[in-house]
Amino acid sequence: GIQVEQSPPDLILQEGANSTLRCNFSDSVNNLQWFHQNPWGQLINLFYIPSGTKQNGRLSATTVATERYSLLYISSSQTTDSGVYFCAVMYSGGGADGLTFGKGTHLIIQP
Amino acid sequence: DTEVTQTPKHLVMGMTNKKSLKCEQHMGHRAMYWYKQKAKKPPELMFVYSYEKLSINESVPSRFSPECPNSSLLNLHLHALQPEDSALYLCASSPTQGSAMGYTFGSGTRLTVV
Repeated sequence: GIQVEQSPPDLILQEGANSTLRCNFSDSVNNLQWFHQNPWGQLINLFYIPSGTKQNGRLSATTVATERYSLLYISSSQTTDSGVYFCAVMYSGGGADGLTFGKGTHLIIQP
Repeated sequence: DTEVTQTPKHLVMGMTNKKSLKCEQHMGHRAMYWYKQKAKKPPELMFVYSYEKLSINESVPSRFSPECPNSSLLNLHLHALQPEDSALYLCASSPTQGSAMGYTFGSGTRLTVV
């Protein structure tokens, strides 16, 4: 099956800092999403981004499908940004139409 | 309504118990999913329902039994579970199977098997 690798696995930053999270995938994908899982387990859909660039407030994401990677940018971090950020892909092949997740980046924003 | 609602939020059950997890959405989505997430791991797909029919069963043990009574409801029936089945169980829905745009997760049921 497809491999989804995220880096870094852990990241600790001070409030106000900027960060870049990376997602590499091993095969062509139909689509790619970024999720934020808060400490209570809720998965929030941040971006649906199979290609190109999108921005939503302090967050933006870029996917370069031909080079099989995606980046999530967080600017001016706030403590509420803490949690785990997952990249998830959906791909044709193997009959899998659910999402395949990377292992996530655990982000801690300190006040 | 853009939510997926899961009940209960927490469940503790013995290995001989029978319990059910419930999931509901009113977004008109025709695909619904169950995922299992162990601590400090990513979610893993268990089942996919498309138009109320089971589409994918990712080799899940028979002690987990899904049911889709109608297009808005998804149940997961649990019987004779093991302590290693303790996990966060997440329900999700999307407009159709294979559609990632609009994919929405519920807040999960945290299950502990004792």
